[in-house]
Parts: sequence; structure tokens; C-alpha cells
Amino acid sequence: GAVVSQHPSWVICKSGTSVKIECRSLDFQATTMFWYRQFPKQSLMLMATSNEGSKATYEQGVEKDKFLINHASLTLSTLTVTSAHPEDSSFYICSAQVGTSGSDTQYFGPGTRLTVL
Amino acid sequence: QKEVEQDPGPLSVPEGAIVSLNCTYSNSAFQYFMWYRQYSRKGPELLMYTYSSGNKEDGRFTAQVDKSSKYISLFIRDSQPSDSATYLCASPRSQGGSEKLVFGKGTKLTVNP
Repeated sequence: GAVVSQHPSWVICKSGTSVKIECRSLDFQATTMFWYRQFPKQSLMLMATSNEGSKATYEQGVEKDKFLINHASLTLSTLTVTSAHPEDSSFYICSAQVGTSGSDTQYFGPGTRLTVL
Repeated sequence: QKEVEQDPGPLSVPEGAIVSLNCTYSNSAFQYFMWYRQYSRKGPELLMYTYSSGNKEDGRFTAQVDKSSKYISLFIRDSQPSDSATYLCASPRSQGGSEKLVFGKGTKLTVNP
């Protein structure tokens, strides 16, 4: 159980275009979903936290107008990278959590590799 | 000082060796500790979850927490090539009414057959 999927797994786009990444909890309802970014040989950096039906909370330094997050249901959250640029190329990983406490287990998706040309 | 410090390695061991992976943390408020395993180009998967000081064992894996010295460890016995991955320690931190995971940088482990 506790499977989280992401789609697409790999996307290449031109500079200036927008890319949408989906994160789904397949066999459980996620109260909270998180979006992370991971650069090569670096650890996961939290970008934002989203709760179903409410606005996402962004970490300091993350542009909310550039990284649009929608958490429309308890099983789906989307991250849209608007007007992507080469520096946005990274590995984007989502995670889903049943509760809101940090002690509740986060289940991670397989990640989406974004390459912006 | 970062809240969670972890030696990035890389660490290379022969098959069958005992592996010791370590992290230190600075925030005394940290109560829970997790170890995640991340294979190349994949998302992390939860390996171990501990709360109190002491040892917790699960098969070939043992997680150890020493809150007095703010030191956490993961031991892997009889290491296998399939254990080759990056291992991340993490702890949740309360912030703005919610709790978020703070990760170490990860230690890249290679187990050679």
C-alpha cells in the first residue's frame, strides 16, 4: 500500500513554456502533499506544502507565481512550472501524507526529471 | 550550522560488510528520526522510523538514536549490491503551525560484489 505516482516521469521543454507535473496518491487519501526539488548530488529541498482545498504554503525563496500548486482533491496535486528556464531544470519529487503531523509518514513519488532547453 | 548534517561520502564497501551511516543534528526539539533510501533517479523510500533513544532493528537494518549527543546512525549488516543507493536521514521540524521534514544531504553508498 501507500503508493504515490507522478506523471510525467521525464519531460523536456523549450525555454518560456509551462510544464505541469501531477502527483497522485493511488491507494490512500492524502491530507497534505509536499513538493521538493533536488539538484544533482544535493538533498531534497522543500518547495511548498499543500493541503487539499487550500492555498499552498511556499518556502522562503520559492516564487509562488512561477511554481503554481493546485491540490484539488485528496488524491491529486499538481505543480505547474510557468515560463520555465534552463535553471529550472531539476528533479521534482512530491510526497503525500495522511495527517498533518511531522511524525506522520510521508510517501514519496518516483520523481519527475525536468529539462528545459 | 545546518540542522541536519550528514557526510555525503561516497562510501564504497565490499559485499557482506557492515555499513555505518551517520548524521548529527542541532535542533534539540527534534523528536522523530527517519532514514530514507533513494536509488538513482527515483524518489526516496522510508526505511526506518525511530522516536526514542536506543536501537530499532528491522532485518539487516538497525537504526540508533543518541539524543544526548544528537547523533543518529543506520547500520546495515551483510550488505548487498542491491543496498547501493543514497541514504538520507531526516527529522520533522515544526514551522508555522505545520511540520516539515528536514533532510541531511545524503550519503551515497556503493556495495561492490
